[in-house]
Amino acid sequence: GENVEQHPSTLSVQEGDSAVIKCTYSDSASNYFPWYKQELGKGPQLIIDIRSNVGEKKDQRIAVTLNKTAKHFSLHITETQPEDSAVYFCLSTDSWGKLQFGAGTQVVVTP
Amino acid sequence: NAGVTQTPKFRILKIGQSMTLQCTQDMNHNYMYWYRQDPGMGLKLIYYSVGAGITDKGEVPNGYNVSRSTTEDFPLRLELAAPSQTSVYFCASSSQGAGELFFGEGSRLTVL
Repeated sequence: GENVEQHPSTLSVQEGDSAVIKCTYSDSASNYFPWYKQELGKGPQLIIDIRSNVGEKKDQRIAVTLNKTAKHFSLHITETQPEDSAVYFCLSTDSWGKLQFGAGTQVVVTP
Repeated sequence: NAGVTQTPKFRILKIGQSMTLQCTQDMNHNYMYWYRQDPGMGLKLIYYSVGAGITDKGEVPNGYNVSRSTTEDFPLRLELAAPSQTSVYFCASSSQGAGELFFGEGSRLTVL
């Protein structure tokens, strides 16, 4: 089955700096790569996703990049703000349609 | 639009008791999932369903059962509760296998 590794597990950044989280997947048939944000006491929420036919997608201060050759995709948050503090999860889908979450990254934005 | 609704939000069980976590969605999604999330950890898939009448095991199915008699409902049954089942349970749905997951608010279960 699919194996997804997410790094780092924790990330502390100063407000205004950038944050980058990386996920590596194993199934070369994976073709959908979303990122979810989970705030304390809530369920995860989709913030951005990318499909395998594009290399990069941006939405205001967040972007996702995909390297299919190396089998990794990354979340980029620019100009971080306190409300970006949360746990972020990547997700990959294997060729059987089974979903696999990464272990999560706790992002803390300090003023 | 309610989205995904889970009940109860909180529950305390004694070891050996049984209970059912309810999940219903009003988006006519075929795909539904149950995850558990232990403190400070990621989400582990318990069971999932790709449509009414079809269910399959995820990573951690032991101690749980599901049914999917309608498109809207996907209840999760815990038989003979154990302390290891203390966790937050999330139900999710999506319109396709590789598409956005919509999560409920979670059900916090404690087994003492």
